Amino acid sequence: DSGVTQTPKHLITATGQRVTLRCSPRSGDLSVYWYQQSLDQGLQFLIQYYNGEERAKGNILERFSAQQFPDLHSELNLSSLELGDSALYFCASSVAPMGASSYEQYFGPGTRLTVT
Amino acid sequence: SQKIEQNSEALNIQEGKTATLTCNYTNYSPAYLQWYRQDPGRGPVFLLLIRENEKEKRKERLKVTFDTTLKQSLFHITASQPADSATYLCALDNYGQNFVFGPGTRLSVLP
Repeated sequence: DSGVTQTPKHLITATGQRVTLRCSPRSGDLSVYWYQQSLDQGLQFLIQYYNGEERAKGNILERFSAQQFPDLHSELNLSSLELGDSALYFCASSVAPMGASSYEQYFGPGTRLTVT
Repeated sequence: SQKIEQNSEALNIQEGKTATLTCNYTNYSPAYLQWYRQDPGRGPVFLLLIRENEKEKRKERLKVTFDTTLKQSLFHITASQPADSATYLCALDNYGQNFVFGPGTRLSVLP
């Protein structure tokens, strides 16, 4: 158990809908990362937060947004969902943001999103 | 654009042998390189981190090398066991500016 929790575990929704994925980082970790993993794309970095502030952005679509709250939990919002958004969404946390040093990331169990 | 390649997609080896996984990159200058293990349907698990000025790092049966001239990292599992069967991912970090995972290599250790 990595100490990172994600809810829900599974989510099935229809095209055009909006969903929110939730992540609680490991105790003491200030940095949160979101990743998308689909069969044909591998693990794609979406966005990183550190202590409530956006730190780095990857290949995140404009239909997706995220935030990190004062209690350090994070939410990833996916809107106007398309079939191609079906994937595993992982949250990870690290003690500090990547920068002068590199830190191991602890991954949650993921949320499997199915868009029908 | 930057590119990360890992071995072939899958690697089969016999139990007890040494597995060697490769991570090659182009158009990237990582300051750090990390290796993760991922089991089906689960999140990746951190294994090892190596800095650009380090040639080699070891942890139990695992060994990682990092050659910035060849733009390559090798990941070795000695005395491999069926329990080592998983997908192994390399990840490149350029001081947090650009953190990217490779596509992974699926390792199968046959008894």
